[in-house]
Amino acid sequence: NAGVMQNPRHLVRRRGQEARLRCSPMKGHSHVYWYRQLPEEGLKFMVYLQKENIIDESGMPKERFSAEFPKEGPSILRIQQVVRGDSAAYFCASSFSGPGRQETQYFGPGTRLLVL
Amino acid sequence: TQLLEQSPQFLSIQEGENLTVYCNSSSVFSSLQWYRQEPGEGPVLLVTVVTGGEVKKLKRLTFQFGDARKDSSLHITAAQPGDTGLYLCAGDSGGSNYKLTFGKGTLLTVNP
Repeated sequence: NAGVMQNPRHLVRRRGQEARLRCSPMKGHSHVYWYRQLPEEGLKFMVYLQKENIIDESGMPKERFSAEFPKEGPSILRIQQVVRGDSAAYFCASSFSGPGRQETQYFGPGTRLLVL
Repeated sequence: TQLLEQSPQFLSIQEGENLTVYCNSSSVFSSLQWYRQEPGEGPVLLVTVVTGGEVKKLKRLTFQFGDARKDSSLHITAAQPGDTGLYLCAGDSGGSNYKLTFGKGTLLTVNP
């Protein structure tokens, strides 16, 4: 049973370019969470999605960042017009069910984004 | 804003020694999780503690959740080089049941 898959594992972008980070949840999981880990910081919650729905995006920067989890295919975290401060490790996690239960979130290996 | 403070930030010990790392907060959590993260990888769940005062053991690792559910500790007995890694605690406030609050972690190095 494959775990959470993220690609690419490493991504280098120049300032102003777009970054697209992909996350395939574990088989049977329909809840996806994105976290960001800045250097010297703990993981910070960004967004929680179910298939075709954004449930909570309270941790997402208001501009340039967006996320989706379509009916088919992986969840995508998109960062437009990247800046150096976006350089971080972005982790995706998935769970079988969501709020109301103590569901374990299983983390992917992360995408390390470097903005030059 | 809920915060989880982990201490110590760095810990370097010799193989065979015992150690304890701490995770403290002024907030109450409905559950608290411990993860280990290796370089270049994502966090891997070790344990979830739910009940105040709960103690869970995982081989040489002992996890304790404080009575007031505001703090937790991880004790490792007879540490081995394979225990090397970043140990993270994460709290679930219970209000959302999904928005985990992470500490910055304790980076443990066990020298052979």
